[in-house]
Amino acid sequence: AQKITQTQPGMFVQEKEAVTLDCTYDTSDPSYGLFWYKQPSSGEMIFLIYQGSYDQQNATEGRYSLNFQKARKSANLVISASQLGDSAMYFCAMREPGGYKLIFGSGTRLLVRP
Amino acid sequence: DSGVTQTPKHLITATGQRVTLRCSPRSGDLSVYWYQQSLDQGLQFLIQYYNGEERAKGNILERFSAQQFPDLHSELNLSSLELGDSALYFCASSVEVGASTDTQYFGPGTRLTVL
Repeated sequence: AQKITQTQPGMFVQEKEAVTLDCTYDTSDPSYGLFWYKQPSSGEMIFLIYQGSYDQQNATEGRYSLNFQKARKSANLVISASQLGDSAMYFCAMREPGGYKLIFGSGTRLLVRP
Repeated sequence: DSGVTQTPKHLITATGQRVTLRCSPRSGDLSVYWYQQSLDQGLQFLIQYYNGEERAKGNILERFSAQQFPDLHSELNLSSLELGDSALYFCASSVEVGASTDTQYFGPGTRLTVL
C-alpha cells in the first residue's frame, strides 16, 4: 500500500535561513507524482510544488525546491530564505497514475522565528 | 486564490441533522474531489467525480453522499450527523483524471462543527 511519512511533527527556523522538511514515501509503482501543500492557520490548502518520478531534475518554484532522491524514496521540501509568512503546516502527498486520490502524510508544523 | 470555491465557510449544527456542502471547481476542471481533515484521522479522501460521474470512493461513510451537476459544481451531503463528523471538509479540483502529474487545487474548506 502507498504511504507517506513525515517524521517531523514540528520545526523551528530563524527568519532568512533555509529549512528542510522531510518526506519519505512507499510505492511499488515506478510512475508517481509527489506534491507539497502548505496549510496556514487560516485553513486553506495551498499547492506549492510537484515532482514526477521520471523527472530528471529536482523541481523548483521560487523559494521552494524539492530534494528528490528516488533510490531513498525521499522527497524533501527545501524552503530558502524563510519568511514569517512561511509559518504553517506542510503536507507531503503522493499520487499514482490511474489513482484518483492524494495520499497525505501527517504534516510538519513549521514556525519561523523573527 | 486557487479558483476553487466552497460554501459555507463555517457550519454549526446539531447531532442527527443533515447538511449540504457546496463546491465550484476551477474553470476548465472536470474532476472534483472531496477530502475530510480531522485531528485524529488527518487528511482522508472521501470521493471523486469526473464530468458528472462518480470515479472513486475512499473512506466515505454511508451517511455521506455526493454528486456533481451538469455545470460541474459538486455537493457533499452529510446526514444523521454525529459529533465525530466535526472536521474541515475540502473540495479540490483538477483538469484530468488518472495522471500522476495532475495537480489538485483545493478550496478554502468548510469547517463543520456538530454539537
